[in-house]
Amino acid sequence: GQQVMQIPQYQHVQEGEDFTTYCNSSTTLSNIQWYKQRPGGHPVFLIQLVKSGEVKKQKRLTFQFGEAKKNSSLHITATQTTDVGTYFCAGPDLLSNTGKLIFGQGTTLQVKP
Amino acid sequence: GAGVSQSPSNKVTEKGKDVELRCDPISGHTALYWYRQRLGQGLEFLIYFQGNSAPDKSGLPSDRFSAERTGESVSTLTIQRTQQEDSAVYLCASSLGGGWGQETQYFGPGTRLLVL
Repeated sequence: GQQVMQIPQYQHVQEGEDFTTYCNSSTTLSNIQWYKQRPGGHPVFLIQLVKSGEVKKQKRLTFQFGEAKKNSSLHITATQTTDVGTYFCAGPDLLSNTGKLIFGQGTTLQVKP
Repeated sequence: GAGVSQSPSNKVTEKGKDVELRCDPISGHTALYWYRQRLGQGLEFLIYFQGNSAPDKSGLPSDRFSAERTGESVSTLTIQRTQQEDSAVYLCASSLGGGWGQETQYFGPGTRLLVL
């Protein structure tokens, strides 16, 4: 079946270092979404990418959608302790042809001050 | 405006008892989702409601799990004869609906269920 995979599962960085998480889909996606879940919190929408090769920036966060629309990445420049949390990518469930999303397993980021 | 709300926020129950978890979606959102998240794990899809269409129950792990939704409002997730393996955070999300996987999902704070 359709799968969305993320690597790495965990990442520990020193504050100020950069961080990247990668998302790979087994199928071509119409769009990809990214969510952030702080420890003890719930997932919160960050961004949606739709176009092939699209790059979007939110302050220190850079999101990219691959040319083939099968992969995506989230890069954080100069991490801060406020970046701690789990980052999930999600793509539409193409088999069900509904509003369902398939979430990756998430990448948990720890930042040492 | 008000976001997605869930109740109770925490629930402790004994093995074998039934529990009901409630979700109030954002007003006007026709799509509603339930997820289970075990400690340190990702989001496990349970069930999806879209308007008056038949719900997508493909993620329910066993027949002990069921969910209902009244129109386009409140949803209740029921777990019968709870087992310790049911201990998790149950998250509800809603979206506008009809966007075929292009919509933002808005999550509630979740219900933390502990089965003793």
